[in-house]
Amino acid sequence: QKEVEQNSGPLSVPEGAIASLNCTYSDRGSQSFFWYRQYSGKSPELIMFIYSNGDKEDGRFTAQLNKASQYVSLLIRDSQPSDSATYLCAFAYKLIFGSGTRLLVRP
Amino acid sequence: GAGVSQSPSNKVTEKGKDVELRCDPISGHTALYWYRQSLGQGLEFLIYFQGNSAPDKSGLPSDRFSAERTGGSVSTLTIQRTQQEDSAVYLCASSSLAGAIGEQFFGPGTRLTVL
Repeated sequence: QKEVEQNSGPLSVPEGAIASLNCTYSDRGSQSFFWYRQYSGKSPELIMFIYSNGDKEDGRFTAQLNKASQYVSLLIRDSQPSDSATYLCAFAYKLIFGSGTRLLVRP
Repeated sequence: GAGVSQSPSNKVTEKGKDVELRCDPISGHTALYWYRQSLGQGLEFLIYFQGNSAPDKSGLPSDRFSAERTGGSVSTLTIQRTQQEDSAVYLCASSSLAGAIGEQFFGPGTRLTVL
C-alpha cells in the first residue's frame, strides 16, 4: 500500500464550481498535512497546511482533516481556469507526497 | 531575500558519468531538503539536512547518491555513475522551521537527462 493515495484525475469542473480533491494516508502517526499546487513545468508551491482535525479555511481554499479516517481533502470554491494544475498532498517533515490530482477548470 | 536557487537548470550527461547538482537555500533557513520528480510522477524524498545534525539519508535510492551541505548553507547532490533511470527533475527546498510544521519553499529544479 502506498503511503499517500490520490486519484490522478484529471478532475474536470466548470468555472465557478467547487473542486474537491481527496487524499488518504497510511501513517497513523502523521501530524502535519500539506497541499501543494504544481503548474506544469514548475515547482510545487504550498497552498495550505493543516494539523488539527476539522476544517481550515484560507480564501477560496478549505483543507479538511480527519485523522481517525486518515483522510485529508482540499476544497476549492469558485474554481477559476487559473486553478488548473496538479495538486499534491503530503505529510510529515520529509514530505511524503502523493502522485497528485490533475485539476482542469473549464471556462 | 531571494528564493531557493538551483544550478544548473538543465543537465544532459552520458550514462556512467558523475554529476553534481547545487542548491542555494533561502538565507537563514536551517532546513534543506532534496527531492526528485520523475516524469508524470509525484515527488520522492531523498535527503534532509537540519542545522548541524546528521542528515536523514533514508530516501537516497542507492549508494551512487550522496549529498553534503557546507557551512549550513549551500548543498550539493552528487550522483555517481549515472544511469538512465536517474533522469528526473531534482528539486531542492528549504525551510525556516525544523519538524513538521515548517513551510518548505522549493527551488526551480534541475532537469537531469542521462543518455
